[in-house]
Amino acid sequence: DQQVKQNSPSLSVQEGRISILNCDYTNSMFDYFLWYKKYPAEGPTFLISISSIKDKNEDGRFTVFLNKSAKHLSLHIVPSQPGDSAVYFCAASVGNEKLTFGTGTRLTIIP
Amino acid sequence: GAVVSQHPSWVICKSGTSVKIECRSLDFQATTMFWYRQFPKQSLMLMATSNEGSKATYEQGVEKDKFLINHASLTLSTLTVTSAHPEDSSFYICSAWGLAGPSYEQYFGPGTRLTVT
Repeated sequence: DQQVKQNSPSLSVQEGRISILNCDYTNSMFDYFLWYKKYPAEGPTFLISISSIKDKNEDGRFTVFLNKSAKHLSLHIVPSQPGDSAVYFCAASVGNEKLTFGTGTRLTIIP
Repeated sequence: GAVVSQHPSWVICKSGTSVKIECRSLDFQATTMFWYRQFPKQSLMLMATSNEGSKATYEQGVEKDKFLINHASLTLSTLTVTSAHPEDSSFYICSAWGLAGPSYEQYFGPGTRLTVT
C-alpha cells in the first residue's frame, strides 16, 4: 500500500523554466511533508518542508504548496538550473519523525 | 551543519556471511535512528526505527533476526545483515533524528551499497 505517490517517474524541463514536481498521499494523519533531492549512490538531501497548518512555504528558488483537501503537494523550482538534475522524493510523516517516501521523480534540466 | 556518516560506503560479501554497517551522527546526539533500504529505481523503504538503549521497532515484512540493529549510544547505530543472500543486495541508508539546529530534523547518511555474491 503506497501511501505517498509520485506519479511522474521522470520530468524534463528547459533551463530557466519552472519545474513542477507533484506528490499525492492517502493518509490523512500525515501532518508534515518534506522534499528531498537525491543523487545516485548518495543519501537524500533535505530541500524544503511544510507543516499541515500551512499551504505554502518558500525558500529561495524552491516553493512547496500543500492542498490538504486534495491530499496533494507540489514542489516548484524556478528558475531551473542544470544542477537541479537529480531524483526528487517527497516524504510525509506524522509528527516529523518516521518518514514515508514517495517513489521519486527523476528531473532532468536541459541546458 | 549536521553530518551523519556511514561505514562502509560499499561492501561485497559472499552469500551466507554477515555484514555490519555503522551509522554515526558526528556533531549531534541522535535520540532516534532510522534504517532504510532502496532497491534500484524504487523508493526508500523504512526497515526499522531504533532508539538508544532499547530494542528496534521493525516495519512489517522486515525480519528482525536477519537485520540486527544495535543502538549502543546516542551517536552510533549498527545494522548487521546476517547470513546475507543475493536478494539482500541493496542500498542501505541510515538517518539520525536529533537537534542539530533550530529544530529537530532527520539527517541522512550517504548510504552503503551492499552486494552479495
